[in-house]
Amino acid sequence: DAGVTQSPTHLIKTRGQQVTLRCSPKSGHDTVSWYQQALGQGPQFIFQYYEEEERQRGNFPDRFSGHQFPNYSSELNVNALLLGDSALYLCASSRITGVRAEAFFGQGTRLTVV
Amino acid sequence: SQQGEEDPQALSIQEGENATMNCSYKTSINNLQWYRQNSGRGLVHLILIRSNEREKHSGRLRVTLDTSKKSSSLLITASRAADTASYFCATGLDNYGQNFVFGPGTRLSVLP
Repeated sequence: DAGVTQSPTHLIKTRGQQVTLRCSPKSGHDTVSWYQQALGQGPQFIFQYYEEEERQRGNFPDRFSGHQFPNYSSELNVNALLLGDSALYLCASSRITGVRAEAFFGQGTRLTVV
Repeated sequence: SQQGEEDPQALSIQEGENATMNCSYKTSINNLQWYRQNSGRGLVHLILIRSNEREKHSGRLRVTLDTSKKSSSLLITASRAADTASYFCATGLDNYGQNFVFGPGTRLSVLP
């Protein structure tokens, strides 16, 4: 049973560019959330997708957008990249109708903006 | 807003000793989960404790939850060098387990 998979593993972009990160949830999971983790800090919640809609959003600007596909996979898009967007981006999945509420995380995508 | 905040920020112990980490939060929660992260990689789920539970065990892990004090603790017994990692608590508002608030984590170093 594959866990949460993210691609790519590492990415280098130039300031002002746009980036798309991808996430496939754990089998049986229907909800995907994205987090940003700066070096030495805890993850910060960006947003959550369920039934192809954004359900909750953290304190992130509109430059951060996402999408969820019918197969529950998700993308995170960041426009007009800033140096401060350099971070580890983590995807988490869970089953919204499940009794147990554990969220499982992928290995993350390390984004470097230069 | 609610916030999970771990204490201490860093902990260094010898192999075989026990390690205790604490987490405090601000608002009512549905559940609290502990995660481990090795060297900036993905978070590994360790244990979930619900607001109506006071203690849970999983192997060498023991988690307690005191909702009156809005705090939780994670005890790792008989620590090993492989336990060296950052540990985070995450508070969940509902049963869907997604919108977590993480603290800065506790960096545990287990020395051989």
